[in-house]
Amino acid sequence: QSALTQPRSVSGSPGQSVTISCTGTSSDVGADDYVSWYQQHPGKAPKVMIYDVSKRPSGVPARFSGSKSGNTASLTISGLQAEDEADYYCCSDAGRYTYVFGTGTKVTVL
Amino acid sequence: EMELVESGGGLVQPGGCLRLSCVASGFIFSGYAMHWVRQPPGKGLEWVSGISWNSGRVVHADSVKGRFTISRDNTKSSLYLQMNGLRPEDTGLYYCVKDIGDYGDGRDAFEFWGQGTMVTVS
Repeated sequence: QSALTQPRSVSGSPGQSVTISCTGTSSDVGADDYVSWYQQHPGKAPKVMIYDVSKRPSGVPARFSGSKSGNTASLTISGLQAEDEADYYCCSDAGRYTYVFGTGTKVTVL
Repeated sequence: EMELVESGGGLVQPGGCLRLSCVASGFIFSGYAMHWVRQPPGKGLEWVSGISWNSGRVVHADSVKGRFTISRDNTKSSLYLQMNGLRPEDTGLYYCVKDIGDYGDGRDAFEFWGQGTMVTVS
């Protein structure tokens, strides 16, 4: 199972919006609505930000949103803040109860 | 407050074995699927293994199939990963992860993560 493709890095100024793409295949991202997104600060464990494509767990700010079209999922951070600087990973159900993560994207707040 | 505490990592030679453990608290352990996810130093995340609430469904990534075995003991709120035939590419931080529900319940997320235990194969 190959890792999902994400851009290596994206950046934006405080208050701007950034979008991270996550491209897979019809066997994973495109197969159903089980895409999730994780934020990881240096030296810390990952934290779920979005699940089931667009659902936000309690406590996650509303500026984080998710969507999907075909084999590509996206995470948008609106109103970028300094504390959003981190690595972000997408993840998809890959069939047969297995999972595949994305390659990871470093978000830099300028 | 939820907590997952991993242990059992260490330095091992290629071909060697290790058994990772994870003790859970702060939630009803027997109600959720659990997983192991690993992260090589400076690299991305890789899902390793998953197990349903009653151990009825056990799944491993192709990269570890036949070498690793996930198991759980709900009476002890504990998750395990038996790792045999270790290879240098198995080196990484191994996270114990709580699922948002169980396999096939219509939701999918790695809801809560432990701090990890480091495995080095060299």
